[in-house]
Amino acid sequence: GAGVSQSPSNKVTEKGKDVELRCDPISGHTALYWYRQRLGQGLEFLIYFQGNSAPDKSGLPSDRFSAERTGESVSTLTIQRTQQEDSAVYLCASSSRGGGNTGELFFGEGSRLTVL
Amino acid sequence: GENVEQHPSTLSVQEGDSAVIKCTYSDSASNYFPWYKQELGKGPQLIIDIRSNVGEKKDQRIAVTLNKTAKHFSLHITETQPEDSAVYFCAVHGSSNTGKLIFGQGTTLQVKP
Repeated sequence: GAGVSQSPSNKVTEKGKDVELRCDPISGHTALYWYRQRLGQGLEFLIYFQGNSAPDKSGLPSDRFSAERTGESVSTLTIQRTQQEDSAVYLCASSSRGGGNTGELFFGEGSRLTVL
Repeated sequence: GENVEQHPSTLSVQEGDSAVIKCTYSDSASNYFPWYKQELGKGPQLIIDIRSNVGEKKDQRIAVTLNKTAKHFSLHITETQPEDSAVYFCAVHGSSNTGKLIFGQGTTLQVKP
């Protein structure tokens, strides 16, 4: 079956513009995560969705960042008024298990964002 | 919140030697400890994981050990091969009901043929 799909794979934008990144999780996976990975660095947690529960937004770095998920399907991460420090690879992952029984995360290949 | 420290940041070994990467965490109630491997241009992939009721787990050349008292866990790779060259990340799941996984900063492993 298909894995986690992210689009676009590459996005170059100008400072101040808004961008939308899309994630299609593996079908049936109730848990969905967004992480940010700056060049040569680790994975920085942004947000976590689990079924119909309220998302864990504790990792969003500022109010310019927001994310939505429709049911247990597609998620979009929106960055408003982009700044150069937003340049990074944005990774999405999904999992069939979540909450207190967290298990394997399946990652997409990421969306590379470059803000000029 | 949970804090995860990973060492070393880079590791270079000769083919056939062993490699060990260590992570420490802060929340004593943490209960799930996976390790991920990331190859260039790809998303991380799970290679092994351990839960807090187990002290050691092995899968062929890869093993993970957990010391709950000291709050650290380690990845051991034996008989390293060039294809083991990648970035390795540890992660920790805390005690809360959120499924949030906190990742370490990563270790770049180079296996020299």
